[in-house]
Amino acid sequence: EPEVTQTPSHQVTQMGQEVILRCVPISNHLYFYWYRQILGQKVEFLVSFYNNEISEKSEIFDDQFSVERPDGSNFTLKIRSTKLEDSAMYFCASKPWAPGQLNSPLHFGNGTRLTVT
Amino acid sequence: DAKTTQPNSMESNEEEPVHLPCNHSTISGTDYIHWYRQLPSQGPEYVIHGLTSNVNNRMASLAIAEDRKSSTLILHRATLRDAAVYYCILRRGRGGADGLTFGKGTHLIIQP
Repeated sequence: EPEVTQTPSHQVTQMGQEVILRCVPISNHLYFYWYRQILGQKVEFLVSFYNNEISEKSEIFDDQFSVERPDGSNFTLKIRSTKLEDSAMYFCASKPWAPGQLNSPLHFGNGTRLTVT
Repeated sequence: DAKTTQPNSMESNEEEPVHLPCNHSTISGTDYIHWYRQLPSQGPEYVIHGLTSNVNNRMASLAIAEDRKSSTLILHRATLRDAAVYYCILRRGRGGADGLTFGKGTHLIIQP
């Protein structure tokens, strides 16, 4: 069964450094998402992306964050200048588009653990 | 988004059925009821969803109350691999790029 893959599985970075988290969504999916989960807390929505632009973003997704689909297969999340509080699991998800299927499920990757020191 | 209420945790024995409740008294007519689960150290995983009628798939069954103000996820025969956090989420039936709003979910513990 096709799956969403995320790399790296664990990234350690120093405060103030830029970091790029990478995701390869399922190949025929058209909607892409980033979520994060701080240790012991809820899964939080960051951003959704469709047709090469951001569809929705949460308050967490400030100017330090950006997303890009640089080619036909990758979807990236960049954090420009990391802070200690950015330490979390970051999950990528994708969803297919199909006519009449308004509620297709999201497919999640297994995440990248970001540790900011 | 309309809010859901779930017990913080539940415990069950292996090979027995598990009924996970969810209250959503402010559900609107176009809200779908979705269930996801998150196994330890993994990303969320879709389980099942429905609108008004009960639904079955290979993973679970979803029983929806007639007034739609509550629903129950049923695992017919729990295994140790079903130990996870289960999330009940309402999702507008409008399609598009709308994401999911996760609550705290129910932490399901399976005893051997």
